[in-house]
Amino acid sequence: EAQVTQNPRYLITVTGKKLTVTCSQNMNHEYMSWYRQDPGLGLRQIYYSMNVEVTDKGDVPEGYKVSRKEKRNFPLILESPSPNQTSLYFCASRGQGDQPQHFGDGTRLSIL
Amino acid sequence: RKEVEQDPGPFNVPEGATVAFNCTYSNSASQSFFWYRQDCRKEPKLLMSVYSSGNEDGRFTAQLNRASQYISLLIRDSKLSDSATYLCVVNEGIWGGGKLIFGQGTELSVKP
Repeated sequence: EAQVTQNPRYLITVTGKKLTVTCSQNMNHEYMSWYRQDPGLGLRQIYYSMNVEVTDKGDVPEGYKVSRKEKRNFPLILESPSPNQTSLYFCASRGQGDQPQHFGDGTRLSIL
Repeated sequence: RKEVEQDPGPFNVPEGATVAFNCTYSNSASQSFFWYRQDCRKEPKLLMSVYSSGNEDGRFTAQLNRASQYISLLIRDSKLSDSATYLCVVNEGIWGGGKLIFGQGTELSVKP
């Protein structure tokens, strides 16, 4: 089954404790992205990747890092999480051209 | 000006009503367009792509006006299950790095 898998689905942690949210897709897609969604602000792109070893900042990259060492994986790293990073996060992937985007189920992060 | 703007919501309509959502985009070089549907706290899912000639899928009709940089979604004979947030999505194409831009979404609530 074609899918985008994120883990964990839920996480409560404390300020400053490094965390990684994993994202994996099995569709051989070139493009992968991370978004955060907050009430009243809609979906905002954090980082995206056009292919292996090619990443670029989205609209709200501050406080986040990503890597794309393999085509299927695109982890999101919070080196020193802060409460303002409490949010619902989505990973997504798509193929080239006009292909639609497939989303993971979401990760709800709470930073205390 | 926001890159993708949608009608503010929420739209509250009775079952059986016809409802129309509008969306405008600012980048005239945008290449492809989509409507996504998002249920509360879940991942966005593709509802339909939007083609230049307009397209229909059952009760849903999407239209694109490139000259006015305007996209619309029409839902006929609304069902309770249509209640969700509808997201307008624009692909800025190769010149925009293949970036997808999401509108903030319009919430629809269909009442019995």
